[in-house]
Amino acid sequence: GEDVEQSLFLSVREGDSSVINCTYTDSSSTYLYWYKQEPGAGLQLLTYIFSNMDMKQDQRLTVLLNKKDKHLSLRIADTQTGDSAIYFCAERRPAAGNKLTFGGGTRVLVKP
Amino acid sequence: DSGVTQTPKHLITATGQRVTLRCSPRSGDLSVYWYQQSLDQGLQFLIQYYNGEERAKGNILERFSAQQFPDLHSELNLSSLELGDSALYFCASSPGADTQYFGPGTRLTVL
Repeated sequence: GEDVEQSLFLSVREGDSSVINCTYTDSSSTYLYWYKQEPGAGLQLLTYIFSNMDMKQDQRLTVLLNKKDKHLSLRIADTQTGDSAIYFCAERRPAAGNKLTFGGGTRVLVKP
Repeated sequence: DSGVTQTPKHLITATGQRVTLRCSPRSGDLSVYWYQQSLDQGLQFLIQYYNGEERAKGNILERFSAQQFPDLHSELNLSSLELGDSALYFCASSPGADTQYFGPGTRLTVL
């Protein structure tokens, strides 16, 4: 995806925390999202954060937003094998009709 | 289950052909978005409709067109298909400006 960058791959042991990072470039983005895609499946909305927030927690998921550095992260606590998937971050650009611009996705592999 | 349905799940066709992909949004959602996911381009926004009217256009080829009907379902028409059009096509619907819920996708294979 244009202008939204993610690392390609993350390997983590079951029970550890995973941290997936994302950088974006459009400072006018109002919402930032994390989606999960399992093999052969669609995109599942995991969580999202409004740009005036620094942090959002939802059960095992914690989103941190550093607006100054245009950096977004997703922390998954107590990672399980079912968390193995591709994770996409996305930004919503109001000036572009609210379309979502996605990063290239981070493949997370959870090892037992 | 997001509540967004897409048909068909898989589609195999030949170059030069035309296909129609269908999307039913979540009940009450007025906005429908179409995205293409391919290995080389990643996830790309194609087009958005809101209550029957085109609202925004992205990287949609002239060979592609879409519409949203009065019952709010949407169709994406792909014509003069090329090998490079092989991809996953997703529809998403939105109740407002903040969230988009994605359907399971249609996998198009052009031979």
